[in-house]
Amino acid sequence: DTAVSQTPKYLVTQMGNDKSIKCEQNLGHDTMYWYKQDSKKFLKIMFSYNNKELIINETVPNRFSPKSPDKAHLNLHINSLELGDSAVYFCASSSGTGWETQYFGPGTRLLVL
Amino acid sequence: DQQVKQNSPSLSVQEGRISILNCDYTNSMFDYFLWYKKYPAEGPTFLISISSIKDKNEDGRFTVFLNKSAKHLSLHIVPSQPGDSAVYFCAASSDGTYKYIFGTGTRLKVLA
Repeated sequence: DTAVSQTPKYLVTQMGNDKSIKCEQNLGHDTMYWYKQDSKKFLKIMFSYNNKELIINETVPNRFSPKSPDKAHLNLHINSLELGDSAVYFCASSSGTGWETQYFGPGTRLLVL
Repeated sequence: DQQVKQNSPSLSVQEGRISILNCDYTNSMFDYFLWYKKYPAEGPTFLISISSIKDKNEDGRFTVFLNKSAKHLSLHIVPSQPGDSAVYFCAASSDGTYKYIFGTGTRLKVLA
């Protein structure tokens, strides 16, 4: 039973396209996150939602827009994809907004050609 | 600015020996530290944590040591097992926030 799932696992697309990555958690958590792991292996937080409200928005281009239709889902939509967007994107969730353990999804490997 | 650094990209250890993974940080406001383990094609999984009021936390074969004056933490795995082969990330946060800053990871290979 997967706790945090992401779709798709792999995404290959052309520059300029718009794409979405979906994330779902079945842990009953209130907080969800998107992280980006770039080619240098930095794992950086992009966004965080708590009870469907945006609470962290790091310096991410406006082309990235998270959407949380409910507490169990946090989707990431990317407009006008650029080469530099190629990375692995991880979704995570936690039960609160403090030091609670974050549970990660398997990642989505995005390659922009 | 890389606030959390793992200067060793890889480490190889014989099965049964001790593995020591190191992590340095620059932000003195960090007060909570975690280690995550990551297998290929999977997301990171939580391993062990320590708050700044402690200098050691132990969980089975895993022990994390924190040296606040040196801004250094280390993860000890004793004895190392082949299943421990993975990438280990240290992460830090401050003021009870959930905004973890991750290091770049150290790939551990435990040789049978």
